[in-house]
Amino acid sequence: EVQLLESGGGLVQPGGSLRLSCAASGFTFSNYAMSWVRQAPGKGLEWVSHISDSGGSTYYADSVKGRFTISRDNSKNTLYLQMNSLRAEDTAVYYCAKRRGYSGTTQGWFDPWGQGTLVTVSS
Amino acid sequence: DIQMTQSPSTLSASIGDRVTITCRASQSIKSWLAWYQQKPGKAPKLLIYKASSLESGVPSRFSGSGSGTEFTLTISSLQPDDFATYYCQQYNSYPYSFGQGTKLEIK
Repeated sequence: EVQLLESGGGLVQPGGSLRLSCAASGFTFSNYAMSWVRQAPGKGLEWVSHISDSGGSTYYADSVKGRFTISRDNSKNTLYLQMNSLRAEDTAVYYCAKRRGYSGTTQGWFDPWGQGTLVTVSS
Repeated sequence: DIQMTQSPSTLSASIGDRVTITCRASQSIKSWLAWYQQKPGKAPKLLIYKASSLESGVPSRFSGSGSGTEFTLTISSLQPDDFATYYCQQYNSYPYSFGQGTKLEIK
């Protein structure tokens, strides 16, 4: 069974940093691109970042570009999101998601998703 | 960037009803569209990919159609488990984007 388990969320002050992790199991992690998607309380879904299967290609939403860094360790089957210079508007549940679709292209949908980890940015 | 617009934002319906949710893209995304179902406190669940391909294990009362800029998700006969929020997502190009969601409520 494919499983994604996020961790690392919590309360952080504005301007602070946090690193999220997503532990993957049940599939060959190194064969799949991965993404982070977030959802602010009571709001819709917002795609945050993508990383290719090898880690050689990354994309970011404009709202986090320059502040967040996505990475992966295929030897540990783990995806990461380093979040710096956090703002109140970054408060959200952060989901990691396995991208299914077409390797080497930008086309892919998300399945499955992890259960999410809550990040709260507040003083 | 591609903007996704869903309508309606809220839909009230009864068990057994046929319902349709519409998703429009600001430019052509061919058939690169997925639909997800989300229940409160839970992660989204994939229903449909490539506009009309039903994900394995998803009941056949769910169907998707469309291409280019206009897409629909149809539930042929609403069941109690279907009351949830539904999102469309384009994956034609980065940045990926989602519709704002359609909350399906019991009438």
